[in-house]
Amino acid sequence: DQQVKQNSPSLSVQEGRISILNCDYTNSMFDYFLWYKKYPAEGPTFLISISSIKDKNEDGRFTVFLNKSAKHLSLHIVPSQPGDSAVYFCAASSQGGSEKLVFGKGTKLTVNP
Amino acid sequence: DVKVTQSSRYLVKRTGEKVFLECVQDMDHENMFWYRQDPGLGLRLIYFSYDVKMKEKGDIPEGYSVSREKKERFSLILESASTNQTSMYLCASSLSLGSNQPQHFGDGTRLSIL
Repeated sequence: DQQVKQNSPSLSVQEGRISILNCDYTNSMFDYFLWYKKYPAEGPTFLISISSIKDKNEDGRFTVFLNKSAKHLSLHIVPSQPGDSAVYFCAASSQGGSEKLVFGKGTKLTVNP
Repeated sequence: DVKVTQSSRYLVKRTGEKVFLECVQDMDHENMFWYRQDPGLGLRLIYFSYDVKMKEKGDIPEGYSVSREKKERFSLILESASTNQTSMYLCASSLSLGSNQPQHFGDGTRLSIL
């Protein structure tokens, strides 16, 4: 049973536009959510996180939104840049990001110049 | 900056061999993790450790074991390598339980079992 789902395997956007990556979860015990970015042949890099007590967290061009009632979170990248092209993983944990993480399968983002 | 170093970027081994993957972190983190990443499956947790000499099974521990003799080092062992263990292996570390700090990853070891 997949507890964290990223239903779009891929997404393509134009440079300068907004990229929206989506993630759904089923476990109501999750209280901490993270996004990681991964380039080929490199390890995942932490991007941004959000605690369940918030509904929005912003860091520069990256914003994560959390809708607890819908068990849904999204990552917005504005404006998108070609260097953002990577695989993005959503992850969740039940006791903070240091604990065991459950990952989605990833969404490959391509930003076209 | 947190540095998680995996000893090999690429490794080729034969079926039946005992394989050791090494991971070292330099930030005095208590927690360390081993994942494997396969296309279309995301990252799956193999084993993790909250302290020296302590280990817990993740979601796919079969065919693997781990060792944590020192706080900074976490080893993944394939007791008798099989072709279905060909994968990208990722090590991660994080500060401590309940610290709300993210896991930091190494660059991975791409392991091929022939």
